[in-house]
Amino acid sequence: GQQLNQSPQSMFIQEGEDVSMNCTSSSIFNTWLWYKQDPGEGPVLLIALYKAGELTSNGRLTAQFGTTRKDSFLNISASIPSDVGIYFCAGPLDSNYQLIWGAGTKLIIKP
Amino acid sequence: ETGVTQTPRHLVMGMTNKKSLKCEQHLGHNAMYWYKQSAKKPLELMFVYNFKEQTENNSVPSRFSPECPNSSHLFLHLHTLQPEDSALYLCASSQHPTGNTEAFFGQGTRLTVV
Repeated sequence: GQQLNQSPQSMFIQEGEDVSMNCTSSSIFNTWLWYKQDPGEGPVLLIALYKAGELTSNGRLTAQFGTTRKDSFLNISASIPSDVGIYFCAGPLDSNYQLIWGAGTKLIIKP
Repeated sequence: ETGVTQTPRHLVMGMTNKKSLKCEQHLGHNAMYWYKQSAKKPLELMFVYNFKEQTENNSVPSRFSPECPNSSHLFLHLHTLQPEDSALYLCASSQHPTGNTEAFFGQGTRLTVV
């Protein structure tokens, strides 16, 4: 079945550093979604991408819909402590629109 | 406040107990979902309800029984669970019944089966 592969699995960074993570699939997706989950909370939508090549920003976050439609990237600039959490990519199946999820990238900021 | 409220936040139950998880959405959405989240695994979609009707059951064991009395409320009834069912159970809703893009999630119920 379709799968989304997220990398890296976890990241240890210093406050102020830029962060990059990606999500890839062997299948084409027409929508890419990026969610963030804080500890003890449910995932919250950060950015939605609907068009190949699209680049969308939300504050310090920027996400891109890959031109092959098989990948997407999320960048965080000048990370701050509240950026810690798990970042998930997700995309809907064309057949039944159910969301397929990546396993997440855990962001940890070193003190 | 996300607009999706789940209760209880934490639940510990024995394998012979019967309990229920509750979800309520205040967003006027037409679709609601139950997800299971286990450590280091992708979210697993369990059930989908569109306009109160169940449209998806992703091979979930019968010890999990969903109920959707109206488009704002969703329950997950639990009975004779196994320790491996311990996980975070997330409820979500979305506006469009034909797709669950831009789903809004509750805070989840952390379930421990002992």
